[in-house]
Amino acid sequence: SQQGEEDPQALSIQEGENATMNCSYKTSINNLQWYRQNSGRGLVHLILIRSNEREKHSGRLRVTLDTSKKSSSLLITASRAADTASYFCATDFSGGYNKLIFGAGTRLAVHP
Amino acid sequence: GAVVSQHPSRVICKSGTSVKIECRSLDFQATTMFWYRQFPKQSLMLMATSNEGSKATYEQGVEKDKFLINHASLTLSTLTVTSAHPEDSSFYICSAKQGRSGNTIYFGEGSWLTVV
Repeated sequence: SQQGEEDPQALSIQEGENATMNCSYKTSINNLQWYRQNSGRGLVHLILIRSNEREKHSGRLRVTLDTSKKSSSLLITASRAADTASYFCATDFSGGYNKLIFGAGTRLAVHP
Repeated sequence: GAVVSQHPSRVICKSGTSVKIECRSLDFQATTMFWYRQFPKQSLMLMATSNEGSKATYEQGVEKDKFLINHASLTLSTLTVTSAHPEDSSFYICSAKQGRSGNTIYFGEGSWLTVV
């Protein structure tokens, strides 16, 4: 069964705006990963944050992790129309021997 | 970077027939592979964990006799959907874990199955 919940389920913004997506999970984790998926395509790995890390940056992406609240957020700054996609968090939970459990995902639409 | 290949990328089959999907790690050995199913506009649901040389471990609610998984080598896992029905139509994605102790996981491009 899925471990994570994400909100919002859908997000519609204008180019140049920032997009924030949140993810919550239920059990202890080794790490949390964010993926992007264009419609009908495979997954693109965006960023991995370990359980002992609190924040990580990669280009226009910023990920935070709060293990006390069992939550993570993905911020995309200065969004572009090409960022339109679904975004999923996935948890590698302790004792799960590296199987990733995906959240429900956020469908992001960035309008020119 | 490491590549995971899935084949076929799209397949249409008749109801009642079986269809096999292959997942290959092209430039690394994958002791563990994972199979996911994704219905339109939904998330990825883990179906099973496939370990080389042993039986797959299925998630709760996944019928092991319907979704046969074979991981006969360190670079190949197969998912066979037996006696397929229209409700099995979905996007199937595999992922492969590189090495035994690492936590790097690579995803295939997915396979669209349509059962008519």
